[in-house]
Amino acid sequence: AQSVSQHNHHVILSEAASLELGCNYSYGGTVNLFWYVQYPGQHLQLLLKYFSGDPLVKGIKGFEAEFIKSKFSFNLRKPSVQWSDTAEYFCAVITRGSARQLTFGSGTQLTVLP
Amino acid sequence: ETGVTQTPRHLVMGMTNKKSLKCEQHLGHNAMYWYKQSAKKPLELMFVYSLEERVENNSVPSRFSPECPNSSHLFLHLHTLQPEDSALYLCASSQERSGFGYGYTFGSGTRLTVV
Repeated sequence: AQSVSQHNHHVILSEAASLELGCNYSYGGTVNLFWYVQYPGQHLQLLLKYFSGDPLVKGIKGFEAEFIKSKFSFNLRKPSVQWSDTAEYFCAVITRGSARQLTFGSGTQLTVLP
Repeated sequence: ETGVTQTPRHLVMGMTNKKSLKCEQHLGHNAMYWYKQSAKKPLELMFVYSLEERVENNSVPSRFSPECPNSSHLFLHLHTLQPEDSALYLCASSQERSGFGYGYTFGSGTRLTVV
């Protein structure tokens, strides 16, 4: 079965700092990849997704992610974070082997200091 | 509002109680899901319904019983729960095509506390 690893459990940054959150998955075949964000007390929202094509995908609120197939990675980036980006970020994958199941990583809590 | 509505938002129940969680989607999707979100753990898929038929049950204890009367509504019936079942229960829906779920949308969840 596929799995998703997010190695950073808690990241603390100052405003305007650059952000990169790591995500690695374990599955050798075709994958669809997602980043979700959950603001305090709110529902999960889709930030961006990769299905095929350009491995650099742009999402909402200035976020982007790069799919590197050889590294089984899908890292999330933002050049300059804001206090309002404080939230929990989840990486998720759907694979051909389990096409109905979104498998999530354990999440990364991002705290941005004003 | 995401198009997926869950009620109640919060629920406190005793171990001998019976309660139900409700989920309704207004997106015209044909698949619905229950996920469990516990502290410090990844979201866990509990049940999948596609075209109102349960297609996956990821070894969930029988004290959780899902029901999907139509493509817009999903219930999770709870009975004789344990304190470790306390968690955020999330409903999601998607449009399945060729076995893939597109447009996954989550509700806000029901925060369940078992006392």
